[in-house]
Amino acid sequence: RKEVEQDPGPFNVPEGATVAFNCTYSNSASQSFFWYRQDCRKEPKLLMSVYSSGNEDGRFTAQLNRASQYISLLIRDSKLSDSATYLCVVNGYGQNFVFGPGTRLSVLP
Amino acid sequence: DTGVSQDPRHKITKRGQNVTFRCDPISEHNRLYWYRQTLGQGPEFLTYFQNEAQLEKSRLLSDRFSAERPKGSFSTLEIQRTEQGDSAMYLCASSLLPHRTLNTEAFFGQGTRLTVV
Repeated sequence: RKEVEQDPGPFNVPEGATVAFNCTYSNSASQSFFWYRQDCRKEPKLLMSVYSSGNEDGRFTAQLNRASQYISLLIRDSKLSDSATYLCVVNGYGQNFVFGPGTRLSVLP
Repeated sequence: DTGVSQDPRHKITKRGQNVTFRCDPISEHNRLYWYRQTLGQGPEFLTYFQNEAQLEKSRLLSDRFSAERPKGSFSTLEIQRTEQGDSAMYLCASSLLPHRTLNTEAFFGQGTRLTVV
């Protein structure tokens, strides 16, 4: 089993749709959680950190369930510019960042 | 530009040749990571440094791969006797690990795309 798993995708949604991505991780010692966005042939860039209480940044909402070792990302009112691959990332204290395989999103006009 | 920079951006080499990549992290960051990414996959961890100390190496990192961070600033990743399977994007990232607190997010360079022919 991979350390971080994500919905396989791709997700093809119309503009304005709400889309949710799921991620699970196997290392219960993981301490920090992130969602990164990666555009085609570009480097990953931080979208948002994920906090235990859940957090929101505009149209984006991240949730963390430590008991289930589950992370989610919700995108509301999706835009064409949201088309990208979304990477779930976990990090244990003093350890390296472990990336999931990514879920590709295409927002269609 | 104060972000992570990598050089070269692209490298085409013949099988069997040695290649070396350089990464300059964000200046105050004490952690430096190397990842490899192939098409359709997430970045795979290779190795990381805290200051000049190499703290962990992935089992993916064969004996042909070596990385250094001699003064705790820039890092180099060398691949000896390259194989076609080494073709990938090599990403460098840096982060700041404050004392006794959680790691902050990693910032990535634009990567070095290696093609072995």
